[in-house]
Amino acid sequence: EDQVTQSPEALRLQEGESSSLNCSYTVSGLRGLFWYRQDPGKGPEFLFTLYSAGEEKEKERLKATLTKKESFLHITAPKPEDSATYLCAAGNQAGTALIFGKGTTLSVSS
Amino acid sequence: DAGVTQSPTHLIKTRGQQVTLRCSPKSGHDTVSWYQQALGQGPQFIFQYYEEEERQRGNFPDRFSGHQFPNYSSELNVNALLLGDSALYLCASSLERGLETQYFGPGTRLLVL
Repeated sequence: EDQVTQSPEALRLQEGESSSLNCSYTVSGLRGLFWYRQDPGKGPEFLFTLYSAGEEKEKERLKATLTKKESFLHITAPKPEDSATYLCAAGNQAGTALIFGKGTTLSVSS
Repeated sequence: DAGVTQSPTHLIKTRGQQVTLRCSPKSGHDTVSWYQQALGQGPQFIFQYYEEEERQRGNFPDRFSGHQFPNYSSELNVNALLLGDSALYLCASSLERGLETQYFGPGTRLLVL
């Protein structure tokens, strides 16, 4: 069964303290790996799409990377406004549905 | 450029009732997917519509049904509501070209009492 697992479930950082979020996946024929940010009570906001192992994407303080078994979301020098839940999702060869992990809730304090 | 819009934002129903949720896709998008997100969980795929047809369906009972209109907007209908149907219902739109990025709306919060 296709599965996406995110760790840790929750992460508390001080402002400026860099860290990484992990997304491991077991998906038949990965067709894409997606990262979203979700604020409480709102819909997920698109961040990155990665299609092949070795690919990297960057946006401001965020950098996403992809290997054959997992993806990482690196957060460099985070600010309080980076506090949110970060969701990872995979698309498999069966179709176009996204399979989501449960998310990592990040809290950044000043 | 208008993003994905959903209505209503919040809804309260009682067990056994029926509900209809609405979604307008991002401008230029032709494919609409629906997801259910329970509290503290990631979104779960319900189904996807393209060219007014249900193209793919997740593991949800027949009580969940949908429709897509010629202007690409979509409705999600849930019959015989259960307490467990309480969740945030998310609509996402994309272009039909393989696994294109899906853009989400703000969601409809449904509470079943």
